[in-house]
Amino acid sequence: EPEVTQTPSHQVTQMGQEVILRCVPISNHLYFYWYRQILGQKVEFLVSFYNNEISEKSEIFDDQFSVERPDGSNFTLKIRSTKLEDSAMYFCASRLRPVDTQYFGPGTRLTVL
Amino acid sequence: AQSVTQPDIHITVSEGASLELRCNYSYGATPYLFWYVQSPGQGLQLLLKYFSGDTLVQGIKGFEAEFKRSQSSFNLRKPSVHWSDAAEYFCAVGATGTASKLTFGTGTRLQVTL
Repeated sequence: EPEVTQTPSHQVTQMGQEVILRCVPISNHLYFYWYRQILGQKVEFLVSFYNNEISEKSEIFDDQFSVERPDGSNFTLKIRSTKLEDSAMYFCASRLRPVDTQYFGPGTRLTVL
Repeated sequence: AQSVTQPDIHITVSEGASLELRCNYSYGATPYLFWYVQSPGQGLQLLLKYFSGDTLVQGIKGFEAEFKRSQSSFNLRKPSVHWSDAAEYFCAVGATGTASKLTFGTGTRLQVTL
């Protein structure tokens, strides 16, 4: 069964550094998402991406964040200058069509020191 | 704006007992509803979903959920819980837009005693 994959599984970085989190969505999917989950809290929407542009973004997704689909398979989330409060689990998700299930990857745990 | 409420933060049940996890949603139109399960340190696995049609939906691992429009609820049930069901359960609502996000509840942590 096709899966969403994410790398790395765990990233440790220093405050102020740039990080790029990588996702490979399911191959024929068209809609892509990033969510995050701060430890012990609920999963929060960050951004949705369709047809090579951002469809919707949350208040969390400020100028420090960006997303890109650099080729036909990868979907990346970049945080330009990480803060302590960016420490969280980041989930990528994808789906084929608007009325469909979002399939989640296993997540990348980001730790900002 | 859509929202989800899971009133129970933590539930403990004995193995073999029945389970019901509550979920209430707020959304102006007919929502798309989901239950996901998350084991410690793991990602989110879809248990079941409701888009339309039969209001009682069956999922994986013996779970089912019933959509009740009049109560704005989508409660998750299982007739007999197994120790391996111990995990965090999230209810989520999706809007009907083209690239609509999911809005999650705060989750219910299920503990199963032997």
